[in-house]
Order: sequence, then C-alpha cells, then structure tokens
Amino acid sequence: RKEVEQDPGPFNVPEGATVAFNCTYSNSASQSFFWYRQDCRKEPKLLMSVYSSGNEDGRFTAQLNRASQYISLLIRDSKLSDSATYLCVVNKPNSGYALNFGKGTSLLVTP
Amino acid sequence: DAGITQSPRHKVTETGTPVTLRCHQTENHRYMYWYRQDPGHGLRLIHYSYGVKDTDKGEVSDGYSVSRSKTEDFLLTLESATSSQTSVYFCAISGTLNYGYTFGSGTRLTVV
Repeated sequence: RKEVEQDPGPFNVPEGATVAFNCTYSNSASQSFFWYRQDCRKEPKLLMSVYSSGNEDGRFTAQLNRASQYISLLIRDSKLSDSATYLCVVNKPNSGYALNFGKGTSLLVTP
Repeated sequence: DAGITQSPRHKVTETGTPVTLRCHQTENHRYMYWYRQDPGHGLRLIHYSYGVKDTDKGEVSDGYSVSRSKTEDFLLTLESATSSQTSVYFCAISGTLNYGYTFGSGTRLTVV
C-alpha cells in the first residue's frame, strides 16, 4: 500500500461549485497532516494544516479521520484561481520531520 | 518569501558528469530536505539533514550524496549523472513539524 494515496483526477468543475478531495495514508503513527497546492511548473506551497478537530480557512475546510486514516479537503465557491494540483501530505514518523507526499489531485475550474 | 533559494534554476549536463545543486536558506531552520519530482511519481525524498553535518537517506538516495557544512547551505551532488536523474529537484526547509515545509523554486536538471 502506498504511504499516501489520492485520486489523481482531473476534477473539472464550474466556477462557484463545491469540490472535495480525499486522501488515505498508511502509517497510523503519523501525527501531522497538510494540504499543499502546486501550480504548473512551480514549487508546492502550504495551503493548510489539518487538525484532528477539523479546520477551516475561508472557503477551504480540511478534515481528518484518524481511525480510518483518511484526510479530506473541501473547496467551496470555486474560483478560476483555484485551478492547481492539490497534494495530500503526511509526516514520516521517526525521520526528522520528513514528509510523504501524495501524487496530487488536479483541479480545473472553468468559467 | 525569499527565505530559501536554489541554484542553478536550470541545468543541462552530460551523462557521467558530476553535478552539484545548492540550497541556501536565511531562516536558520534546522531541517533541510532534497526531493525530486517526476511525472507519475510525485515528490520523493532523496536526503535530508537535521543539523550541520547530520544527514540521512530518503527513499531514492542511490546515486546522490549530500553535505551540510553550514546551517544555511545544503548541497546535493549527483556523483555521475544518469538520464534517470533528469528531474525537477526541490529543496525544502522546516523549523518545526507543525508548520510543514517551505520549498525553494526548484532546479530543472536534464541529463543528456
């Protein structure tokens, strides 16, 4: 089983739509979880951390289910500028804060 | 945003030549990482450092070595470049686990 798995997409949605991405991870000892955003030919940038109680940042909501080892990201009221690849990220226990990255889910928001 | 810079940004080299990529940070972060990103594989960890002269291997370390003689610099060396090492290389820094990484802008390396 891969350490972090995501549906690669692409997800094509119209502006204003709500879209959800899911991710599963294999190491139950992982303690830190993140969503990163990566634009074409650019470096990944931190979108948000994911906390056990769930957290929201504007139009973005992240959820964590430790029992199922499942992470989600919900984007409401999609904008054209949300078009990017979204990477699910989980720490590698006992490896100096190293992170495991999913391969990413591609989102295209259309007018 | 410039707490981390990578050089060079682009490089074309020949098979069999040594290549060194540089990562420089101004954040005084303890942890530094080298990843490569390839289509179909995502980001994969090559090596990481948890302090000056303290480094460890990642999942794809074969053919690569690293050095960290100063807090601010982390060098990645391809001892003898091969075509399979054509990739985009990202350096990242981290102060604590809770805040994730900050990435450099990447180095596009082509081995011909």
